[in-house]
Amino acid sequence: GAVVSQHPSWVICKSGTSVKIECRSLDFQATTMFWYRQFPKQSLMLMATSNEGSKATYEQGVEKDKFLINHASLTLSTLTVTSAHPEDSSFYICSARDGGQGATGELFFGEGSRLTVL
Amino acid sequence: AQTVTQSQPEMSVQEAETVTLSCTYDTSESDYYLFWYKQPPSRQMILVIRQEAYKQQNATENRFSVNFQKAAKSFSLKISDSQLGDAAMYFCAYAGVDSGYALNFGKGTSLLVTP
Repeated sequence: GAVVSQHPSWVICKSGTSVKIECRSLDFQATTMFWYRQFPKQSLMLMATSNEGSKATYEQGVEKDKFLINHASLTLSTLTVTSAHPEDSSFYICSARDGGQGATGELFFGEGSRLTVL
Repeated sequence: AQTVTQSQPEMSVQEAETVTLSCTYDTSESDYYLFWYKQPPSRQMILVIRQEAYKQQNATENRFSVNFQKAAKSFSLKISDSQLGDAAMYFCAYAGVDSGYALNFGKGTSLLVTP
């Protein structure tokens, strides 16, 4: 199957700093990428939908100035957690859809990135 | 907004036995898709099975099958001949046109497989 790679897999940062997480589709062009957040022993919550070349669409309750999403190319989307605080500590997962499969094509998931804010 | 409900936080099954995980959903859309995903301790999301709402036939993938009851908005997953490697969190998910076919997940069911 298609491969989506996330980097870093684990990052620890100090409170107040910004952290960038990358999501890359390695063998397909991802016109749409989704970012999820997962707290321990909980489900995945959709944060935002990002379409290549346009602004991300954020879910209700997600601060767009806090979680900056950029999808500047067909193979890369980035999530930047700005001025991170301990409550931002979580597992962040991206998923990507192959643009060639249409709007209902299978979503491929990255391995996830664990963020710990001290 | 669509909601996905998994009423079983935890389930246990003995190796080689069969277990059914429940999922119900609420929607007013006519065009949508339903999924079961497995999340092992590695936390990598793995697609188990997918069902298109317009298809009446229940999807099957080897030991995994679903019971899709569209009128009842029910989508249960049956795992036959359970194996130790099946132990994981299982998430039911919905994707519809209103959300750009983004996945909306239930709270998950933790499946324990005992020898």
